[in-house]
Amino acid sequence: AQRVTQPEKLLSVFKGAPVELKCNYSYSGSPELFWYVQYSRQRLQLLLRHISRESIKGFTADLNKGETSFHLKKPFAQEEDSAMYYCASRGGEKLTFGTGTRLTIIP
Amino acid sequence: EAGVAQSPRYKIIEKRQSVAFWCNPISGHATLYWYQQILGQGPKLLIQFQNNGVVDDSQLPKDRFSAERLKGVDSTLKIQPAKLEDSAVYLCASSWGQGRYGYTFGSGTRLTVV
Repeated sequence: AQRVTQPEKLLSVFKGAPVELKCNYSYSGSPELFWYVQYSRQRLQLLLRHISRESIKGFTADLNKGETSFHLKKPFAQEEDSAMYYCASRGGEKLTFGTGTRLTIIP
Repeated sequence: EAGVAQSPRYKIIEKRQSVAFWCNPISGHATLYWYQQILGQGPKLLIQFQNNGVVDDSQLPKDRFSAERLKGVDSTLKIQPAKLEDSAVYLCASSWGQGRYGYTFGSGTRLTVV
């Protein structure tokens, strides 16, 4: 069975400081990893996916198969980054979410 | 493109009553998902449709929950009878293909069972 672990429920970072949101997954096959974000009063939306190797809003995430991790990083936090972030793993046809990390950027 | 539409936005019912939620996915998205998100937890998949067929309903409490997607477009999720622990946000999502490029979520229905 798939499992996605986000060890931090809450994370506070000063504006301009680096951000790292941790995500670890367990899946016997080759999963596809995603980060979703939910801003206040908005719907859950896709932030980025590992297959695209893209940078969205300054965020990047690298899949590390050895450590089974997919941590989300941004070098300089901005106030508008405050939101709920969910890591998700797609194995087979099923998308499994972690419990989420609430990121708060301190001005 | 229009997003995933869900209604109602909020619903308060008493335990043992029944409730239904509606979802209209993005046009052309063959795959539709219902997720349950309990406060403080991540979304949990209840049921997945491919067109009008069920792909995965392994986590759907079938003694009280049912869902259908008769014409392969919009879908309804029903709870009968509701329990206190069903209080949650019910999210509908749709995807092109099998979701390899991500899902598009609706705004959800917040259900409170009292």
